[in-house]
Amino acid sequence: EPEVTQTPSHQVTQMGQEVILRCVPISNHLYFYWYRQILGQKVEFLVSFYNNEISEKSEIFDDQFSVERPDGSNFTLKIRSTKLEDSAMYFCASKGAGAGYNEQFFGPGTRLTVL
Amino acid sequence: GENVEQHPSTLSVQEGDSAVIKCTYSDSASNYFPWYKQELGKGPQLIIDIRSNVGEKKDQRIAVTLNKTAKHFSLHITETQPEDSAVYFCAASIQYSSASKIIFGSGTRLSIRP
Repeated sequence: EPEVTQTPSHQVTQMGQEVILRCVPISNHLYFYWYRQILGQKVEFLVSFYNNEISEKSEIFDDQFSVERPDGSNFTLKIRSTKLEDSAMYFCASKGAGAGYNEQFFGPGTRLTVL
Repeated sequence: GENVEQHPSTLSVQEGDSAVIKCTYSDSASNYFPWYKQELGKGPQLIIDIRSNVGEKKDQRIAVTLNKTAKHFSLHITETQPEDSAVYFCAASIQYSSASKIIFGSGTRLSIRP
């Protein structure tokens, strides 16, 4: 069964450093998402991406964040200058196209720890 | 913006009994309501979903109900088993032709007592 994969599973970084989280969505999917989950809290929407551009972003997704689909298979989330409060699980998700495609498939997540 | 409230935050039931988790949503334009199960160290996995043109949906031991007028929806798990222990999230979304974000509830930690 196809699945969304994410690397690395755990990333530790120093405050102020840049990090890039990587995702490989399901191959025929066209919509891509990033969500985050701070420990013990709800999953929060960050950004959606379609047709090589951002469709929607939340207030969390400020100028420090960017997304890219550099090569047609990977989907990346970059945090330019990490803050302590960026520590969270980051989930990538993808969705197919068409009237019957509602389900977003989630990856296993990357745990980001900012020290 | 859309907000999804979920309760209870924790639920402990005897194996074999039923578990019910309830949610409310704020945006009447929401038309898709997925339920996710999250096991330790994993991402959310869809277990069942319901669209706004349907009042109830069942899949083996799992059922969801939706009351659009009251903006309530619920998850029912019958004949609970130890492997049902996990965190469950309700969610709401406005599905349209382009990408549609999912708004999650705060989660319910379900524990099944042997």
